[in-house]
Amino acid sequence: AQSVAQPEDQVNVAEGNPLTVKCTYSVSGNPYLFWYVQYPNRGLQFLLKYITGDNLVKGSYGFEAEFNKSQTSFHLKKPSALVSDSALYFCAVRDPRGDDKIIFGKGTRLHILP
Amino acid sequence: KAGVTQTPRYLIKTRGQQVTLSCSPISGHRSVSWYQQTPGQGLQFLFEYFSETQRNKGNFPGRFSGRQFSNSRSEMNVSTLELGDSALYLCASSITGNSGEKLFFGSGTQLSVL
Repeated sequence: AQSVAQPEDQVNVAEGNPLTVKCTYSVSGNPYLFWYVQYPNRGLQFLLKYITGDNLVKGSYGFEAEFNKSQTSFHLKKPSALVSDSALYFCAVRDPRGDDKIIFGKGTRLHILP
Repeated sequence: KAGVTQTPRYLIKTRGQQVTLSCSPISGHRSVSWYQQTPGQGLQFLFEYFSETQRNKGNFPGRFSGRQFSNSRSEMNVSTLELGDSALYLCASSITGNSGEKLFFGSGTQLSVL
């Protein structure tokens, strides 16, 4: 069965430093991978996705993620963190040739310290 | 263009009661999916509808059901409420529900079961 793991419940980063939010997945086929962000009292917003092609994908608000098939990872990164990046981040995976259900990780709370 | 609209925003019910939540997708979107968000379990997929047909279903008991109308609006029903059903219920829409499409989320309905 497919699964996705976000090993860190919380990540603290100083403003201006690079940030990484980790995500690993397990699917039998070729995955579709997504990152979503949830700001306080709001629904989730799409950040970026990997379907096929270039392993490095760029998304909204200066975020990017790298698909690593050998390590089955899709870590979210940003070169320079902003206080406004503080939010809850969810990684998600779909196996379009499997049952095609979207599976979300449990989320990682990102705190950017001023 | 209006976003995904969920009503009501907050609900308080007692054990054993039933509840109906409503979701209006973005105009032109024909796929609607539902999710349960809790602090311990993160975000879990409930079901997905496209053109009034349930296309996929998560691992929830039969007390959780849904439907979609011809105008793409969707409702979710939970019968015989349990304390553990307390959660934020999120609805998302997409144009066709294709595996690679991004989801647009509503702000959710916060359900408290007493």
